[in-house]
Amino acid sequence: GNSVTQMEGPVTLSEEAFLTINCTYTATGYPSLFWYVQYPGEGLQLLLKATKADDKGSNKGFEATYRKETTSFHLEKGSVQVSDSAVYFCAPNAGNNRKLIWGLGTSLAVNP
Amino acid sequence: IAGITQAPTSQILAAGRRMTLRCTQDMRHNAMYWYRQDLGLGLRLIHYSNTAGTTGKGEVPDGYSVSRANTDDFPLTLASAVPSQTSVYFCASSESSGRGTDTQYFGPGTRLTVL
Repeated sequence: GNSVTQMEGPVTLSEEAFLTINCTYTATGYPSLFWYVQYPGEGLQLLLKATKADDKGSNKGFEATYRKETTSFHLEKGSVQVSDSAVYFCAPNAGNNRKLIWGLGTSLAVNP
Repeated sequence: IAGITQAPTSQILAAGRRMTLRCTQDMRHNAMYWYRQDLGLGLRLIHYSNTAGTTGKGEVPDGYSVSRANTDDFPLTLASAVPSQTSVYFCASSESSGRGTDTQYFGPGTRLTVL
């Protein structure tokens, strides 16, 4: 069936450190891939997306590349800030109804 | 533009009571969704609507009902609340559901506690 696996958190980093959050998926068809972010006390919002193989989504210094051969969509940022502290969700869409398949989320805490 | 609004922000409810969570969007999106978010379980889809007048069941629909009388509103009703329905509920919308590339936009959530 369709599923997504994210690296378990919480991830704790110091400011300006390099961030990688791994995401791999199993999905029928040719899914679009999304990363959403949830800041404390808020709803989710789109961080970035990629809709075909080798596309790179980017936003706010975050990047992720659609790797069809490894069914992965790892999130990276070169230098994290305290304001990046949030929960990050990887979500491919899949199936005939193209609904999002949600990972469990990875909590990131960035210390000054 | 407000985007998606949800009401109430939070609610404490006695078990067995009926409750309707409200969701309104002003983006004229065709598709709308209700999720619940629970620690350790992530986001789970309760019900969805691809367009006004239609609804569908998600992965955890039992105990919940929805209606979509018009484009803007998508209320979620708990007919007889139980403690396992304690959760944070998020409403979301997207321009369409079939294209698969559309972004979902989320409301701020409703925190519901059933005692």
